[in-house]
Amino acid sequence: GAVVSQHPSRVICKSGTSVKIECRSLDFQATTMFWYRQFPKQSLMLMATSNEGSKATYEQGVEKDKFLINHASLTLSTLTVTSAHPEDSSFYICSAPSSGGYNEQFFGPGTRLTVL
Amino acid sequence: SQKIEQNSEALNIQEGKTATLTCNYTNYSPAYLQWYRQDPGRGPVFLLLIRENEKEKRKERLKVTFDTTLKQSLFHITASQPADSATYLCALRRAGTALIFGKGTTLSVSS
Repeated sequence: GAVVSQHPSRVICKSGTSVKIECRSLDFQATTMFWYRQFPKQSLMLMATSNEGSKATYEQGVEKDKFLINHASLTLSTLTVTSAHPEDSSFYICSAPSSGGYNEQFFGPGTRLTVL
Repeated sequence: SQKIEQNSEALNIQEGKTATLTCNYTNYSPAYLQWYRQDPGRGPVFLLLIRENEKEKRKERLKVTFDTTLKQSLFHITASQPADSATYLCALRRAGTALIFGKGTTLSVSS
């Protein structure tokens, strides 16, 4: 199947700093990517839909000024957590749908963010 | 509101037995339903997709059923192995957008 990578896999930062997470589709183009957040023993919660060349669509309750999404190319979407706080500590996962429709999705390996 | 429930948080079975996981949904009329496997600290991996007009789908030791009347899908792993131990997620596609996931069932297969 197609491969989606994320970088970094793990990040620890101080409260108040900003953290950027990259999501890349390695062997296919993705006009749309999705960002999820997962707390321990919880389900993946959709945060936003990243659209290449246009603004991201955020889910209700997700602050767009705090979670900045940029989809600058057909293979790269970035999520920047601005002014991170300990409650932002979570597992962030991106995904991209397979070509030809929104059938199966290919997920990145995830990024573990810990805010001290 | 739309809900997906996987009513067993954990399932423990012995090697060789069949594991059966349940996914129920409400306020949805999905065209298809998907199952994913997630290992600790990793992203989910796609396993199977079943469409609304399909009653059953198989892939090797995996079998999925889809009952749109009951609004339920069952996910079976036959001849289970310790390597099958993971969290299994049921997912539905929201119209035009991303997948919505259940909380998952963590399967533990003991040898």
